[in-house]
Amino acid sequence: DAKTTQPPSMDCAEGRAANLPCNHSTISGNEYVYWYRQIHSQGPQYIIHGLKNNETNEMASLIITEDRKSSTLILPHATLRDTAVYYCIVRVARNDMRFGAGTRLTVKP
Amino acid sequence: SQTIHQWPATLVQPVGSPLSLECTVEGTSNPNLYWYRQAAGRGLQLLFYSVGIGQISSEVPQNLSASRPQDRQFILSSKKLLLSDSGFYLCAWSVMGDTEAFFGQGTRLTVV
Repeated sequence: DAKTTQPPSMDCAEGRAANLPCNHSTISGNEYVYWYRQIHSQGPQYIIHGLKNNETNEMASLIITEDRKSSTLILPHATLRDTAVYYCIVRVARNDMRFGAGTRLTVKP
Repeated sequence: SQTIHQWPATLVQPVGSPLSLECTVEGTSNPNLYWYRQAAGRGLQLLFYSVGIGQISSEVPQNLSASRPQDRQFILSSKKLLLSDSGFYLCAWSVMGDTEAFFGQGTRLTVV
């Protein structure tokens, strides 16, 4: 019951933008969208989060649709080190965090 | 600065043996604490979370239990391990609100 849907895998060419989609059609008004990534055999790493507006930081950009039912994580210039599983999470009110299966992004030279 | 410690990094245990994994957080007070498990090639499964001392919420009926004896200490236990308990166990913390969560480096448990 992760409340989000992501494609299981994606490929991206090194140096190109990686656009990772996420559907969260049942999101509530006070729930944030979070993105994490997990490089093999490590703990997940926080990337970015947002509520309504688009957000950008040094790692990525987050585009949230106006109806908030979907979002896209953008890695503007993917590198080989960005190869990882990317998780989109909707933060529920009880302060727990539920991860779905995520998208396995493979950046290819 | 805040840090999270999780140990051991790897563990091999026989079926039927007990388990105790410990997680401690430094540099923050009253954190939310989480235990996750990740089977090989799978996503993260939330096992337990805690919003305060002695307050544990269990997400999945299983062979495991959790305790929070101190504000910044979270322990995952089992009385008798099963083969299906093998996996990568991750501890995480966050604070109330919309901030991000921070994960430990994980414990890779193999039950043989």
